[in-house]
Amino acid sequence: AQTVTQSQPEMSVQEAETVTLSCTYDTSESNYYLFWYKQPPSRQMILVIRQEAYKQQNATENRFSVNFQKAAKSFSLKISDSQLGDTAMYFCAFMKNNNNDMRFGAGTRLTVKP
Amino acid sequence: GAVVSQHPSWVICKSGTSVKIECRSLDFQATTMFWYRQFPKQSLMLMATSNEGSKATYEQGVEKDKFLINHASLTLSTLTVTSAHPEDSSFYICSARDPTGPSTDTQYFGPGTRLTVL
Repeated sequence: AQTVTQSQPEMSVQEAETVTLSCTYDTSESNYYLFWYKQPPSRQMILVIRQEAYKQQNATENRFSVNFQKAAKSFSLKISDSQLGDTAMYFCAFMKNNNNDMRFGAGTRLTVKP
Repeated sequence: GAVVSQHPSWVICKSGTSVKIECRSLDFQATTMFWYRQFPKQSLMLMATSNEGSKATYEQGVEKDKFLINHASLTLSTLTVTSAHPEDSSFYICSARDPTGPSTDTQYFGPGTRLTVL
């Protein structure tokens, strides 16, 4: 079974600074997908970024980027120029290729301070 | 695009009654939808995978007779919590994949339904 570990229950960052959230996973699969979802206080799950395991290039979406280390099974999220609206729970998720089963980590609560 | 809605957003019911939650894909057809449960300050736990026109696939430990799932059309899946009890109080979230979208692997989530059983 695949497991996803987020070792940082809570983090905080000053507005405009950069923060990195860590995520590791365990799998024997070679093809899979990784995701970061954001859940603000409204509790609406919002896709932040996705990475296909067969792509070596790290995914980026504006201020959000990942550091995907396949051999180390690590998938960290970097948020640059943090904004107050980035305050939320962040969940790392893993899904095998062509499979409906998405597994989530325990989440990291990020607080952006003014 | 890829918007998923849920109704109701919150519901309070008496113990022993049944509650139905609807999940709709608004701008795409979803052959597969998913139902999750989230306890306070915890992660999402997959309850079941809902397939249009066929029976849902339940995760281990989820009572299929208690959590009835129907996926009668390509845009609607329903979760019915039967004979609800206080321990069923939780936040229920559905998601769907867009099979014709740019990222067919990505799940798009509804806004969730908060169920409180008195």
